[in-house]
Amino acid sequence: EDQVTQSPEALRLQEGESSSLNCSYTVSGLRGLFWYRQDPGKGPEFLFTLYSAGEEKEKERLKATLTKKESFLHITAPKPEDSATYLCAVQEWGNAGNMLTFGGGTRLMVKP
Amino acid sequence: DTGVSQDPRHKITKRGQNVTFRCDPISEHNRLYWYRQTLGQGPEFLTYFQNEAQLEKSRLLSDRFSAERPKGSFSTLEIQRTEQGDSAMYLCASSPDRGEQYFGPGTRLTVT
Repeated sequence: EDQVTQSPEALRLQEGESSSLNCSYTVSGLRGLFWYRQDPGKGPEFLFTLYSAGEEKEKERLKATLTKKESFLHITAPKPEDSATYLCAVQEWGNAGNMLTFGGGTRLMVKP
Repeated sequence: DTGVSQDPRHKITKRGQNVTFRCDPISEHNRLYWYRQTLGQGPEFLTYFQNEAQLEKSRLLSDRFSAERPKGSFSTLEIQRTEQGDSAMYLCASSPDRGEQYFGPGTRLTVT
């Protein structure tokens, strides 16, 4: 059974203090790994898709990387508006429906 | 830009009542997904449609839950005889055949 574990559960940063969020996964065959951002009371907002080990994607202050066992979301010089819960999810090959299996999320708080 | 929409955004109901939620996906997307999210957790897959066909159901989807997608357009999720354990955020997502899933804002259900 697919397992996705995110750490830490919560992270407090000062504005400008760079850090990384971790997503480790166990899946028979990874089709894709997805990062989403979720603000309180709202649906997840798509950020990145990674398909193979070594792949990297960037968007503004965020950079996602992928290895065979985990993914990292690096946040460079975060701002208070980056405060949100960051979710990672995996899709498995052989899963015709392409449904996502999510981790529990990392709640990021950036203080000014 | 017409993203995924869900209605209602909030629903408060008494235990034992039936409730129905609606999801309107992005128009060109033929895949539609329902997920459930409880506080502090990541979304969990409930069911999936490709066009009008319901192709996959999670074990989380008890007999009290039913979903439809008539004519492959909007979808409804009905919960009969609601229980307090049904209180959660119900999320709808849509995607093309291959690609990212885009989520709606969710329907927050509170069962009293």
